[in-house]
Amino acid sequence: GDSVTQMEGPVTLSEEAFLTINCTYTATGYPSLFWYVQYPGEGLQLLLKATKADDKGSNKGFEATYRKETTSFHLEKGSVQVSDSAVYFCALSERSGNQFYFGTGTSLTVIP
Amino acid sequence: DTAVSQTPKYLVTQMGNDKSIKCEQNLGHDTMYWYKQDSKKFLKIMFSYNNKELIINETVPNRFSPKSPDKAHLNLHINSLELGDSAVYFCASSRGTHEQYFGPGTRLTVT
Repeated sequence: GDSVTQMEGPVTLSEEAFLTINCTYTATGYPSLFWYVQYPGEGLQLLLKATKADDKGSNKGFEATYRKETTSFHLEKGSVQVSDSAVYFCALSERSGNQFYFGTGTSLTVIP
Repeated sequence: DTAVSQTPKYLVTQMGNDKSIKCEQNLGHDTMYWYKQDSKKFLKIMFSYNNKELIINETVPNRFSPKSPDKAHLNLHINSLELGDSAVYFCASSRGTHEQYFGPGTRLTVT
């Protein structure tokens, strides 16, 4: 079945450091891929998405590229800020079905 | 304008009680969901529902039941609450399998 695997946390970085959170997926069809962010005490918010191979999603300085050959959708940001401290979820949805699959979440803490 | 709203935000109750959490979306979406998030932030899908089909995660106890009075609402009823039901519950909605929009969550504490 379909699934999403993302790197375990917690991740702690200094402000202005480079961020990578790895995400790989298993899918039978042609999924859409997403990154969600959950700030403390809040619900999940869509951060970015990509709907087909080689698409790059970007938002708020974050980027992720849909790599079909490596079945990956890694999240990157060149210079993190304290305000980026949150839990990040990679997710997948299959167009043919009615299912959404979330990864286990990666907690990021950025220290000044 | 709140896209997906939930009430209450906090719910503290005793074991054995029955409680409900309400969810409303004003996005015109056709599919709604309930998730349970544990203390380690792991998200577990409980139900997905559109006007045609209710999909139940088979691991969800039958003490939990979704009720949808119309397309914009999906409420969650929980009977005979147990300590292990303590968690944050999120409602979400989507148009088909497109991105989901989440509510702010309801923190349920069972004592």
